[in-house]
Amino acid sequence: AQSVTQPDIHITVSEGASLELRCNYSYGATPYLFWYVQSPGQGLQLLLKYFSGDTLVQGIKGFEAEFKRSQSSFNLRKPSVHWSDAAEYFCAVAYSWGKLQFGAGTQVVVTP
Amino acid sequence: DADVTQTPRNRITKTGKRIMLECSQTKGHDRMYWYRQDPGLGLRLIYYSFDVKDINKGEISDGYSVSRQAQAKFSLSLESAIPNQTALYFCATSPGLAGDQETQYFGPGTRLLVL
Repeated sequence: AQSVTQPDIHITVSEGASLELRCNYSYGATPYLFWYVQSPGQGLQLLLKYFSGDTLVQGIKGFEAEFKRSQSSFNLRKPSVHWSDAAEYFCAVAYSWGKLQFGAGTQVVVTP
Repeated sequence: DADVTQTPRNRITKTGKRIMLECSQTKGHDRMYWYRQDPGLGLRLIYYSFDVKDINKGEISDGYSVSRQAQAKFSLSLESAIPNQTALYFCATSPGLAGDQETQYFGPGTRLLVL
């Protein structure tokens, strides 16, 4: 069965420091991969997605993610975190036609 | 105006009551979805609809029903609410065959408390 794992439930990072959020998936084929962000009291906003091609994907708000087939990973990164990046981040995989499976989420806290 | 709207945004109800959560979209997308979010579990799919005549159960459909009244409207009903249905509910849409069919766009969510 397919699965999406976000190993870190909670990450605390200082403002201006770099951030990396991990995502691993289990799926038989090369999946479509997504990162969403949920700010407090908000819905989910798409940060970026990978379908094919260049394995380093650029997204909004200065985020990027790298697809590594050999590691079944799709980690999200940002070089310098801003206080407004405090949110919950979800990795998702399109495992079947038109359906997404989500990881449990990683809560990011940004300290001054 | 938001592309995907949900009403109400917050709702408190009592065990045994029937309630309906509504979702409307102006994106012109064929596909619509209902999810629930629980802490530590991410989002889980309740029901989805690929067009007005197509309704499908997701992974956790027990205790829920849906209605696709039009391309733009997709409602979720709890026939007899129970406390473990307390959660944050999201509606989402995607373009289907006409476009980027795998990308989903989410509404702001409805926070439901069942007492």
